[in-house]
Amino acid sequence: SQTIHQWPATLVQPVGSPLSLECTVEGTSNPNLYWYRQAAGRGLQLLFYSVGIGQISSEVPQNLSASRPQDRQFILSSKKLLLSDSGFYLCAWQKSANTGELFFGEGSRLTVL
Amino acid sequence: KNQVEQSPQSLIILEGKNCTLQCNYTVSPFSNLRWYKQDTGRGPVSLTIMTFSENTKSNGRYTATLDADTKQSSLHITASQLSDSASYICVVRFYYGGSQGNLIFGKGTKLSVKP
Repeated sequence: SQTIHQWPATLVQPVGSPLSLECTVEGTSNPNLYWYRQAAGRGLQLLFYSVGIGQISSEVPQNLSASRPQDRQFILSSKKLLLSDSGFYLCAWQKSANTGELFFGEGSRLTVL
Repeated sequence: KNQVEQSPQSLIILEGKNCTLQCNYTVSPFSNLRWYKQDTGRGPVSLTIMTFSENTKSNGRYTATLDADTKQSSLHITASQLSDSASYICVVRFYYGGSQGNLIFGKGTKLSVKP
């Protein structure tokens, strides 16, 4: 069966510090991978998606970046965090060419102070 | 503009009672609609998917309906339990030619079931 792991689960970082959130998927190959952010009281906002190794598309301009060094690994990074980067970050995977169901990780709660 | 609106924003009900959550969308061309349940601090989990030709679909105590003409969907929860306390998110998929940016998320309805 397929599983998705995301870590760390919680993170408290000072403004200006770097960030690295990691997501890995097991039990499937060549998945579509996504990073979403969920701010308090708001819907999920798509940040990045990837359809293959090294292929990253950004939906929203920001100081975050994403990378996909391996087929089932997706990393969200920042060189310098802003207060506005605080939120709940969700990684998700999707089988290629299906009805669009997303399988989400457990999320990473980021607080920037 | 493709949009998904959910109502109410929040809802409090007593355990054992029924409730109905609403989702209105303006997404076009429509592909399918999913309802997700998101427990606090967790990732969303799909409850049900509705395609254009489906009017009603049940998953245990959850029943989703779809009216493609009026572009409305509802999620009915029967005999609510404390574990139903969560946010329920309506997500509509439209045809875009790919699988990357073709999902529109509602902001969710936060349901609280009280004993």
